[in-house]
Amino acid sequence: QKEVEQDPGPLSVPEGAIVSLNCTYSNSAFQYFMWYRQYSRKGPELLMYTYSSGNKEDGRFTAQVDKSSKYISLFIRDSQPSDSATYLCAMRDSGGSNYKLTFGKGTLLTVNP
Amino acid sequence: DTEVTQTPKHLVMGMTNKKSLKCEQHMGHRAMYWYKQKAKKPPELMFVYSYEKLSINESVPSRFSPECPNSSLLNLHLHALQPEDSALYLCASSQHDTAWNEKLFFGSGTQLSVL
Repeated sequence: QKEVEQDPGPLSVPEGAIVSLNCTYSNSAFQYFMWYRQYSRKGPELLMYTYSSGNKEDGRFTAQVDKSSKYISLFIRDSQPSDSATYLCAMRDSGGSNYKLTFGKGTLLTVNP
Repeated sequence: DTEVTQTPKHLVMGMTNKKSLKCEQHMGHRAMYWYKQKAKKPPELMFVYSYEKLSINESVPSRFSPECPNSSLLNLHLHALQPEDSALYLCASSQHDTAWNEKLFFGSGTQLSVL
């Protein structure tokens, strides 16, 4: 079993739809969770960063973490064509000297006008 | 300012060439990273510098040689690469002051093609 599982998609939705992106993980030591957005041939852009169970909202984006179920989600409300990108979940444990992120494989999202 | 700047954006090199990738950040971050990303794959960690010292080398072949001249700059020297080394090379940095604040910020990458 891989440490982080992410549905690779592709996912295609109409403009204005609510998008749900999900990752599951097996390592209970993971304490910090990130969502990155990556446009084609560009570097990943940090969208959301959380370290507690529950919801964190930033504009149209909501990150949800359920540590008991080892499950994280990113919700995008009122999706726009500019949201079309690959979304990567990433996580790491709480070790102070542990710099290593474990990434999901990424979900390719297309928002159609 | 959360910008990590990488140059060049694109690089084509032959297998006998020597080239360098450059990365710069002015956020005062004390950890800097090199990642390699193949198409449709997540980034793979190559090297980590912490306070200008190499702290992680993920068993990267010696044809890749990192260098951290100061806390703002990171280089990756390339020599005798193989075509399979063609990829997007990403630089990243993080604050590295407390465990909860280790947010990684990536540059736009250098798209490398080895002929």
